[in-house]
Amino acid sequence: ETGVTQTPRHLVMGMTNKKSLKCEQHLGHNAMYWYKQSAKKPLELMFVYSLEERVENNSVPSRFSPECPNSSHLFLHLHTLQPEDSALYLCASSQTPTSGNTIYFGEGSWLTVV
Amino acid sequence: ELKVEQNPLFLSMQEGKNYTIYCNYSTTSDRLYWYRQDPGKSLESLFVLLSNGAVKQEGRLMASLDTKARLSTLHITAAVHDLSATYFCAVDPTSGSRLTFGEGTQLTVNP
Repeated sequence: ETGVTQTPRHLVMGMTNKKSLKCEQHLGHNAMYWYKQSAKKPLELMFVYSLEERVENNSVPSRFSPECPNSSHLFLHLHTLQPEDSALYLCASSQTPTSGNTIYFGEGSWLTVV
Repeated sequence: ELKVEQNPLFLSMQEGKNYTIYCNYSTTSDRLYWYRQDPGKSLESLFVLLSNGAVKQEGRLMASLDTKARLSTLHITAAVHDLSATYFCAVDPTSGSRLTFGEGTQLTVNP
């Protein structure tokens, strides 16, 4: 069992749909993150949660809505997305959101917006 | 705005050769991370460098950090095909694990 599990691995959605990405970490960590990896662009930090509280929102459009119900689960709710939102969305976790801790990534959810 | 630049972005090398990937960043930081990503896979943590002069080695890979020069290197010794992947460096300029990534270096090791 991998440390950080993401579902679904692949998602195709229309611009008017509402869907959610799910992330679960089995490492006992207190911090969780969403990153976006687009083609030909560096990974971008989207959100940071520490002990279920959002501590960072990196200027992400409101059509992306994160939710962290407990320290093991993280969701990214998607609605009225645009084709340019098509990307690999990576969830990650670390012991705490302080520096120097190894950050462990999930395998990602490939999102295609049509 | 923090910028992280990797050089080269594409690297094709022969097995058995040595090479170095460079990671330059624009803001003071003493925390730098190296990751590996295989096609269609997640990012695998390779090294976490936390101080000036830090050097870490794992197998054929060795990473170093020079915070004064704002430069980290990932040195590959006697490359083998299994090292083919994309390598990312990432910098955390704050104390909060907010990583800013480079564009990645796509490494191909040819037999």
